[in-house]
This record gives sequence, structure tokens and C-alpha cells, in this order.
Amino acid sequence: EVQLVESGGGLVQPGRSLRLSCAASGFSFDDYAMHWVRQTPGKGLEWVSSISWNSGTIAYADSVKGRFTISRDNAKNSLYLQMNSLRHDDTALYYCAKEGPSGTYFDYWGQGTRVTISS
Amino acid sequence: QLVLTQSPSASASLGASVKLTCTLSSGHSSYAIAWHQQQPEKGPRYLMKVNSDGSHIKGDGIPDRFSGSSSGAERYLTISSLRSEDEADYYCQTWGTGLHVVFGGGTKVTVL
Repeated sequence: EVQLVESGGGLVQPGRSLRLSCAASGFSFDDYAMHWVRQTPGKGLEWVSSISWNSGTIAYADSVKGRFTISRDNAKNSLYLQMNSLRHDDTALYYCAKEGPSGTYFDYWGQGTRVTISS
Repeated sequence: QLVLTQSPSASASLGASVKLTCTLSSGHSSYAIAWHQQQPEKGPRYLMKVNSDGSHIKGDGIPDRFSGSSSGAERYLTISSLRSEDEADYYCQTWGTGLHVVFGGGTKVTVL
């Protein structure tokens, strides 16, 4: 059974940093690209960042480029999101998602970890 | 620019059918998309990938009541025999080059 478990969320002040983690199990982690998606309360889904299976291709949404860094450790079956210079509008529920077998879509999602940016 | 457009809301009666539309922006009519369901207070769940030829690949455990189809730049999700638990937000999603991902704005389905 595929499982994606996010952690690391919390309440932090604007300008500070936070590191999210996603522990994956139930599939060959190093065969698939992985992704971060976020959702502001009451709003839609917003893609944040993606990383290919071997970290050779990385992409970011314009809203986080230069502030967030995605990475993965295939030996630990883990995905990460380092978030720096956090702003109020980064407040959201952050999901990690696994890429499907035939394209850049998400066939499994985690339950999310909540990030709140507030002074 | 790759954009997905969805109607904000749709409704149908219990037991009836509803057809949701996701429209790809000009020049992208050959793109596949994926549909995701998000029930209230829950995380998203993958429903299916829909290709430009209408073929689709469902996620694990997705009932036959859910089906996908295509016509031109439009991708559809049809939910038959509506149940109360189908009341949810439905998002379409696609991708461009270099792992860039795009979401539609979502359609809120109300079961009457």
C-alpha cells in the first residue's frame, strides 16, 4: 500500500524558515518523480515544486522560486521542502504527491502538513 | 500559456449524473489531464488520467460510476448514479515541460 506521510509543519514568524519532510513507502521511491502541492484554506490546489527520480530535473512555481528548495533522499525514501524567507501568503496545507506511471500527474497524495506564517 | 478552465460549480440530484468539463488553453488540445477529488476536510484523491483520445486510467478503487472522456480541448469527468459522498471539489491537472504542473480552479459538486 502506497503511503505518503508529511511532517514538519508548524507556526513560524514571517521571514523564518521551515523544512517539510515526506516519508514514502509501498512503492519504489527512486523510480518516480515527486511533488509538493499546497492549499490555502478555502482555496484551490496550487502546485509548488517537483523533482525527478534522480534529482536531475527540478521545477518551482514562480511564487516560491528562490525561496524554497526541493530535495530527496532515495536511500531514505524521503522528500523534502526547505522553505526560507516565509511570508504570510505561504500559509497553507502542504501535500506531497507521487507521480503516476505515465505522465506528470499525481496518483497518490499524502494527508498534508499545515504551515502557518504569523507574527 | 498552459491554462485549465473549470466551471466553479455543478449540481445534480441524488442518483442522477453530472458531467464536469476541464478546458485546455489554445494550442494544448493534445494534452492529457488528471482528475482529482477532494471531499470536505480531506486530502485530494486521484480519480483518473484522461488522454486526448478519451482513454483513461483510473486510480485504485475508483468505482465504475466515474468515467472520463475527451473532445477537442475539453476533458470530461462524468459521475453517474450520484451519491451523497460524491459531493466534493473536483480538480483537473495537467503538466507542461520540465515537470511544471498546472491545476484548474476546481468545480464544487453539490448533490441535491
